[in-house]
Amino acid sequence: KAGVTQTPRYLIKTRGQQVTLSCSPISGHRSVSWYQQTPGQGLQFLFEYFSETQRNKGNFPGRFSGRQFSNSRSEMNVSTLELGDSALYLCASTDPRVGYGYTFGSGTRLTVV
Amino acid sequence: AQSVTQLDSHVSVSEGTPVLLRCNYSSSYSPSLFWYVQHPNKGLQLLLKYTSAATLVKGINGFEAEFKKSETSFHLTKPSAHMSDAAEYFCVVRDNNAGNMLTFGGGTRLMVKP
Repeated sequence: KAGVTQTPRYLIKTRGQQVTLSCSPISGHRSVSWYQQTPGQGLQFLFEYFSETQRNKGNFPGRFSGRQFSNSRSEMNVSTLELGDSALYLCASTDPRVGYGYTFGSGTRLTVV
Repeated sequence: AQSVTQLDSHVSVSEGTPVLLRCNYSSSYSPSLFWYVQHPNKGLQLLLKYTSAATLVKGINGFEAEFKKSETSFHLTKPSAHMSDAAEYFCVVRDNNAGNMLTFGGGTRLMVKP
């Protein structure tokens, strides 16, 4: 079956702009999580959605938001971009049974200039 | 609260020699543990997972890990390194009572010398 699809793969934005990233999970997976990866902070949890509801949120400012649609596709939005938002944003989908593996997409590389 | 410590940020081995990547975790409840690998400019690929069944877990590409509750460790091993194993490896914990949030270790960069 198809893997997790993230679009776009690369983005360049200017400070102050906003951006929307998309994630299509594996068919049948209703849980979608987002992570930010930077050289300084490593991989950090942003939020998790399950059946269109946000279940968990990491320690990020309110500029970071997300949503999930009825087909389980998820989007994350970052408003008022800052230079420090430059990162690889990874999406993971899972079947939420305990201990099930998480499948990650290839990520969206966001560069803020 | 859960946390993961990968004890080595860089490990260098020669091709054909054993690989050991060390990981210690902290979790309030019974955890699920994972090892992921990330090749340059790629996403994360699952190597193996521990989910409270057998403590010795076998994964893909000849990797395995042993869950030791008394030592709160989940070290990753491979008997013989291959050049294609050069990548960054992440030890990951999921507290089974805290939803689907994963906590990542800082990563270990494995270098394989010919």
